[in-house]
Amino acid sequence: QKEVEQDPGPLSVPEGAIVSLNCTYSNSAFQYFMWYRQYSRKGPELLMYTYSSGNKEDGRFTAQVDKSSKYISLFIRDSQPSDSATYLCACRRNSGNTPLVFGKGTRLSVIA
Amino acid sequence: GAVVSQHPSRVICKSGTSVKIECRSLDFQATTMFWYRQFPKQSLMLMATSNEGSKATYEQGVEKDKFLINHASLTLSTLTVTSAHPEDSSFYICSARGSVTGESQFFGPGTRLTVL
Repeated sequence: QKEVEQDPGPLSVPEGAIVSLNCTYSNSAFQYFMWYRQYSRKGPELLMYTYSSGNKEDGRFTAQVDKSSKYISLFIRDSQPSDSATYLCACRRNSGNTPLVFGKGTRLSVIA
Repeated sequence: GAVVSQHPSRVICKSGTSVKIECRSLDFQATTMFWYRQFPKQSLMLMATSNEGSKATYEQGVEKDKFLINHASLTLSTLTVTSAHPEDSSFYICSARGSVTGESQFFGPGTRLTVL
């Protein structure tokens, strides 16, 4: 079992829809959770960063972490065609310079 | 803030040559830099972690003599692909973290390497 599982999609939604992206993880030592957005042929861009369980909102984006079920989510409200990209979840232990562990990424297409 | 640049953005080289990719943190000191490789429609594969002034720590299966990493300063890390072969063609992305970035990592725009 991979440490971080993410459905690769593709996921296609109409403009204005609410998008739900999810990941599960297996390592209970993970404390930091991030969502990155990656456009084609570009480097990942940090969208949201959460420590431990809880919700975090930033504009149209909401990140949720449920450590009891090892489940992380990213919600996008009022989705736009410019949101079309690959979304990667990432987790990290609370230990020095340990690297992020990434999910495979979910390809999202928002259709105008 | 927390901008990471890479150079070159794209490189095409002949088989057997060596290629150097630079990764720079432009507005912060990067105590740790990470190098990733990404194949089309695949996720990021961590190659190595480097701390400034120390030898890089390579992931299992990554040849350290093939992929030379140098992190000589707090703003610069280099990845040199030695004796490149067509199977080394890939998208290479660096990432950096420092005291100002907290627990987050910020990524460069990537370098697309094509080996003929």
